[in-house]
Amino acid sequence: QLQLQESGPGLVKPSETLSLTCTVSGGSISSNIYFWGWIRQPPGKGLEWIGNLHYSGSSYYNPSLKSRVTVSVDTSKNQFSLKLISVTAADTAVYYCARLVSAAAGFDGMDVWGQGTTVTVSS
Amino acid sequence: DIQVTQSPSSVSASLGDRVTITCRASQGIRRWLAWYQQRPGKAPKLLIYGASSLQSGVPSRFSGSGSGTDFTLTISRLLPEDFATYYCQQTNSFPITFGQGTRLEIK
Repeated sequence: QLQLQESGPGLVKPSETLSLTCTVSGGSISSNIYFWGWIRQPPGKGLEWIGNLHYSGSSYYNPSLKSRVTVSVDTSKNQFSLKLISVTAADTAVYYCARLVSAAAGFDGMDVWGQGTTVTVSS
Repeated sequence: DIQVTQSPSSVSASLGDRVTITCRASQGIRRWLAWYQQRPGKAPKLLIYGASSLQSGVPSRFSGSGSGTDFTLTISRLLPEDFATYYCQQTNSFPITFGQGTRLEIK
């Protein structure tokens, strides 16, 4: 059974870079039918899509974060990562990694999620 | 970008009730809509994809319908574990967007 696990610092200082890794176990990240990505949830608020990428390298980002975010993949380690630069308190959130299922002309939802990791931006 | 608007933002219901949540997309998305359940402190769980396809392992009291711009999630015969927050998500194209969420509370 496929599992995702987020890892990374729980505390980041303002103006610095937030870096998280999602480790995929129980399956390969190198599949044509899946995109891998990140979603976040500020305290007490709703879900915000951050971005997705395919193992082949194509990536897509939330326009509101695009200038600050990069999602990358390491197929040798079966991991993908998130980097968010120049963080502020507004980036404080629970960050989830998830698998997005690709279909013929759209996507069939995010069927596997990590448990989430809390990142606080504070000095 | 395609926006999705959920309503209501919260709803109160009793055990055994039937509840319907709606989601409207700002432009046609055919049937590319998913629904998620999120319990406090937990990751979201995929319930419905393709507007009406039940994800494996999800009870049949959950159902989805709609196409184009208007969609609904229906939960029949509410059980205690159904009281949670529900989100819709358009999966027609990037950027993917979520609705604001609907909190389902016990009356």
